[in-house]
Amino acid sequence: DADVTQTPRNRITKTGKRIMLECSQTKGHDRMYWYRQDPGLGLRLIYYSFDVKDINKGEISDGYSVSRQAQAKFSLSLESAIPNQTALYFCATRDRTDTQYFGPGTRLTVL
Amino acid sequence: GNSVTQMEGPVTLSEEAFLTINCTYTATGYPSLFWYVQYPGEGLQLLLKATKADDKGSNKGFEATYRKETTSFHLEKGSVQVSDSAVYFCALRSGNTPLVFGKGTRLSVIA
Repeated sequence: DADVTQTPRNRITKTGKRIMLECSQTKGHDRMYWYRQDPGLGLRLIYYSFDVKDINKGEISDGYSVSRQAQAKFSLSLESAIPNQTALYFCATRDRTDTQYFGPGTRLTVL
Repeated sequence: GNSVTQMEGPVTLSEEAFLTINCTYTATGYPSLFWYVQYPGEGLQLLLKATKADDKGSNKGFEATYRKETTSFHLEKGSVQVSDSAVYFCALRSGNTPLVFGKGTRLSVIA
């Protein structure tokens, strides 16, 4: 089984809808991250969490919110989706050797 | 602030050719440097890393040396294979800040 899983893998939605992307990990890592990937822009950090009680904004947090329900779960929400949030979204964890482990990604399309 | 600049792609090489992907960085303090690789349809995975000046990271025939004097961490491989076709990301982390990624370089290797 994969160590970092993301659901759904693909999602098509309409402008104005609320969307939640979920991430689960079995690695026991405290640190978790949400990124978005756009062609030509690399990965940009949306939010990150050092533990259940520690949530931090990243470079591009506007229009997004997160919830760290447990050490293993870190969800990303788009309260009112807009077309420029169409992107590939990755969840990741980090271990004590400074290695990040990425999920397989969620491809989100906002029409 | 911290930033990473890597050569733009795409890079197209014939099998067994020599590969160099340039990466330079700007950082405060003494960053750790990383190369991550993203194979088609997958999340990123760590390829190699170096944590201090003059360290050489290596994995799967790829190498990169942490050059503080030129603030560089260029990725090299002596003989690429078709299976090396992927997007390569240079990244850095300094202190307790999150990873900062370059924009990625797409490599295509043709037989």
